[in-house]
Parts: sequence; C-alpha cells; structure tokens
Amino acid sequence: EAGVAQSPRYKIIEKRQSVAFWCNPISGHATLYWYQQILGQGPKLLIQFQNNGVVDDSQLPKDRFSAERLKGVDSTLKIQPAKLEDSAVYLCASSLLPGNEKLFFGSGTQLSVL
Amino acid sequence: QKEVEQDPGPLSVPEGAIVSLNCTYSNSAFQYFMWYRQYSRKGPELLMYTYSSGNKEDGRFTAQVDKSSKYISLFIRDSQPSDSATYLCAMSAGRGSTLGRLYFGRGTQLTVWP
Repeated sequence: EAGVAQSPRYKIIEKRQSVAFWCNPISGHATLYWYQQILGQGPKLLIQFQNNGVVDDSQLPKDRFSAERLKGVDSTLKIQPAKLEDSAVYLCASSLLPGNEKLFFGSGTQLSVL
Repeated sequence: QKEVEQDPGPLSVPEGAIVSLNCTYSNSAFQYFMWYRQYSRKGPELLMYTYSSGNKEDGRFTAQVDKSSKYISLFIRDSQPSDSATYLCAMSAGRGSTLGRLYFGRGTQLTVWP
C-alpha cells in the first residue's frame, strides 16, 4: 500500500514570497489533514478535510494560509506572503474516517523562510 | 498552560534498558490517548492507542493511562538501537470530525546506544 506522498521535500524562500505544498493521500482515505510542526514542538493541526469539504480550519491563519482539496483527493497548502515564523515542517496526513485516531503521515515538506 | 505537556529530553539509555516516557494533560475531556513514533526526517507513525484509563501491551511496548491524574506513560522493554526516535504523545476528546482533533505533546527524543 502506497503511503502519503508529499512534495517538495525541502523549500527555501525569502519572507514575503509565496509557496505551495502538495499532498496525495492514501487511496480511499476520505479525511486529509495538514499539520505544522515547528522545530522542537509537536504537530499542530492547520486544517482538516472530509472529502473535498473543510471540517476544521479554526487554527489556520487565514490571512496568509489557504488550502484546497479538489475532487476529494489531492490537496495543496499555500502560504502567501510567508513570514519568518512560518519556518517549519508541513505534514500531510490521511485517515480512513474522520476523527480516526490512526493517522498516516507523509514525510513532510521542510520550509525555511529567510 | 498547554493542553499537553511532555518533557523533550533528550533521553539516552543503553541497549536493553527499560524506557519510561510520559505526558501530562489539562483537558479532562480527553478520552483517546496515543503514542506516535517519529524517526528523523519522517512523519509520525502510530505506535500505541488506548481508550480511557488502563493499560495496553503490544510486544515490548506498554501504554498506561491514569485519567484521575491526567497522566499517560509509554514503557519500552528491552530497548533496541532501532527504537531511537522522537516519541510524541497525542490525545483527543472523542471521535468525529472536530472531537477527533489530536493534540500532540512536543515529543521526547530517545537515543538507545549499543
């Protein structure tokens, strides 16, 4: 079974630039999550999708972050404009059902904002 | 006060030692408790899952939950160098779309030396 795919693996940008991350969840997983993991901290949920609808985006900084999941499969997370404090690993995860404790994580995209 | 507190370590033990990892939490609504393992430059993977109070054993791993003290533990017996990773505790208030949001600790970095 293929895992959660994410790209790019690494990204370095300057502050005020924009960046986008891509995620392809495990086939058949209806729920998709984006987490932000700052160095030395645990992952923090940014947004949760159920199929192509948003379930929880209460912790997403909507003035600069946006995410979409077209056709209920792939998802993209965008930051525009980026700030220094956005430097983190952005993890995508998927699960078979919403609220399922068994999340499958991708390897993440490590973002450095200079 | 953070929802979930976890000592970041680092923790360094010799091969064969018993390892004890723990987390405390403040939200009495948490009912589902998990331990994720995260290798360097990888996403977290679910290791143990416990509902409410009690113990759960899986091979060399034992998870304990004490809801009265708001304290959870993970024990690793006969630790191996391959157990070297960051261990993240996570918990949620329930299942379903928003109840199932996971709150992670910051992780404990463990090194098992041969």
